[in-house]
Amino acid sequence: KNEVEQSPQNLTAQEGEFITINCSYSVGISALHWLQQHPGGGIVSLFMLSSGKKKHGRLIATINIQEKHSSLHITASHPRDSAVYICAVSGTGNQFYFGTGTSLTVIP
Amino acid sequence: EAQVTQNPRYLITVTGKKLTVTCSQNMNHEYMSWYRQDPGLGLRQIYYSMNVEVTDKGDVPEGYKVSRKEKRNFPLILESPSPNQTSLYFCASSPRYNYGYTFGSGTRLTVV
Repeated sequence: KNEVEQSPQNLTAQEGEFITINCSYSVGISALHWLQQHPGGGIVSLFMLSSGKKKHGRLIATINIQEKHSSLHITASHPRDSAVYICAVSGTGNQFYFGTGTSLTVIP
Repeated sequence: EAQVTQNPRYLITVTGKKLTVTCSQNMNHEYMSWYRQDPGLGLRQIYYSMNVEVTDKGDVPEGYKVSRKEKRNFPLILESPSPNQTSLYFCASSPRYNYGYTFGSGTRLTVV
């Protein structure tokens, strides 16, 4: 069972490029989360959203509840953005479901 | 500094030897949870706690126990570890369910 699907699995971009990571989910949710995991392993919460769009610096997250889809965009990508980006959903039953992550490499 | 502290960071143990991974937060958060991360499977929720003395199973609770006797601590207990519990474990906390989450630095457990 894959409640959360992410694409692509791997992504390589040139510095400065606009990047999009997609997330689709199949369960009822109360919120969707985007997480960032750096090579050292630590996880940082980037966004939590239940509707519309949020922006933080060069990162933008959108969600379409009707289509059960979310996107994470990175504008003017930089090598320090290289990380694994994980989509997660908070189910209506207090449980969490995670995508398997998108590994992003930004080349200088 | 607001943080979630997990200990130990690395642990190698033998099959069947009981162990506890500690998790402590200093943010007065109500919600705490444990996850394991495995290659190809991603993160999966083990247990969560909505508040003191309130815990519930996540996706993969078998072989694990938790307790939440006080707000700041949420230890993960493996009473009889097995090699299939070799994994990277994360603890996280949040003011309430569905607020932003703060993750611990992770515990890499190897069971031989």
